[in-house]
Order: sequence, then C-alpha cells, then structure tokens
Amino acid sequence: EPEVTQTPSHQVTQMGQEVILRCVPISNHLYFYWYRQILGQKVEFLVSFYNNEISEKSEIFDDQFSVERPDGSNFTLKIRSTKLEDSAMYFCASSGELGTDTQYFGPGTRLTVL
Amino acid sequence: DQQVKQNSPSLSVQEGRISILNCDYTNSMFDYFLWYKKYPAEGPTFLISISSIKDKNEDGRFTVFLNKSAKHLSLHIVPSQPGDSAVYFCAAQGSYIPTFGRGTSLIVHP
Repeated sequence: EPEVTQTPSHQVTQMGQEVILRCVPISNHLYFYWYRQILGQKVEFLVSFYNNEISEKSEIFDDQFSVERPDGSNFTLKIRSTKLEDSAMYFCASSGELGTDTQYFGPGTRLTVL
Repeated sequence: DQQVKQNSPSLSVQEGRISILNCDYTNSMFDYFLWYKKYPAEGPTFLISISSIKDKNEDGRFTVFLNKSAKHLSLHIVPSQPGDSAVYFCAAQGSYIPTFGRGTSLIVHP
C-alpha cells in the first residue's frame, strides 16, 4: 500500500540553525500539507500546497517557514532560523483531492531545538 | 481556542467491551468530521469520517455518531481489541483543513 515517507525521523539542531524536513508524498497525490504537534498538544495545521503554490497557511507559518517541491517527488519544509519553541513532531500529509478526500500522514519527524 | 475538544485524555476498557470516545466542537461551519488513530512513532491514520448530512456512519467495528444540535460526535468501537490501543484524534473541517482535538489515549486490556 502506498505511504507517505518522511526523513529524518529525528533531527536535533541548535537554536538559530536552518533545518529542512523532507517528505515523499504518495505518488499520484496532488495536495500536500505540513502539520506539527508540540508534545502533549494537538496536531496543528501549518500549510497546504498545490500546483507549486501555497494554497493556505496558518498563523503559525510565519516568514521563518517555507515549503518547496524541488522535484517531482519531494516536498520539503524549511525553518530558516529555528527557535526553542519549534521543537515538535512535524507531520507531512498528502491527498488526491481537496474537500473530503482523506489525508494520508507520514510517520513524522521529531525536531529538537537545543 | 479549542474549536474541537476531547475532554477525556484517556480511556481504559476491557477487551470485548465497547469503547466510546467523545468529541465536542464549537464552530457551526464544520461540516465534515473525521477520526484518526495514532500509534507511537507513527503518523495519524484515518479511521472513519462522517458528513454533517448524516448522523451515523458504520465501518466494521467502528461507528461514528453525529449530533449536530449538540455539536457532539462519538466513536464507538465494538468489540474493543488490544490492538485498538492508541491515541484517537477527532477532527472537524469546514474547508479542507481539519482542526484536531488533543486526542484520547485508549487502552484496551486483555
């Protein structure tokens, strides 16, 4: 069964450093998403991406964040200058259609900012 | 700002019995509701959904009930199995972006 994959599974970085989290969505999906979950809190939407453009973003997704689909398979989330409060699980998801189509989640990347 | 609330952080149930997980929402614009299951070290996995035009949707051992007037939905698992032990997230959406609750950790004892 096709699945969303994410690398790395765990990323440790120093405050102020740039990190890039990588995702490979399901191959025939067109819509891509990033979510995060701070430990003990709810899963929060960050951004959605379609047709090489951001289609929607939350207030969390500020200028420190960017997304890119550099090739036909990868979908990346970049945090330009990490802060302690960026420490969280970051989940990538993809779906075939918008609306009620199911979003399939990857296993997540645990980001630890020291 | 908790638009989707799961007031029980944990639930413990005996194998074979019914598990009932509850979820309340505040935004009347939500018209599609989902339940996700999450095991440790994995991402959320879609379980079952319901549209606001329905009040019940069933898939095998899993049934979701929606009470729009009360802005309440519940997930019933019958019979519960030890493999159902996981964190269950309720999510609601009005566009295509789900708003998640904090999750309920279900433990099913053999």
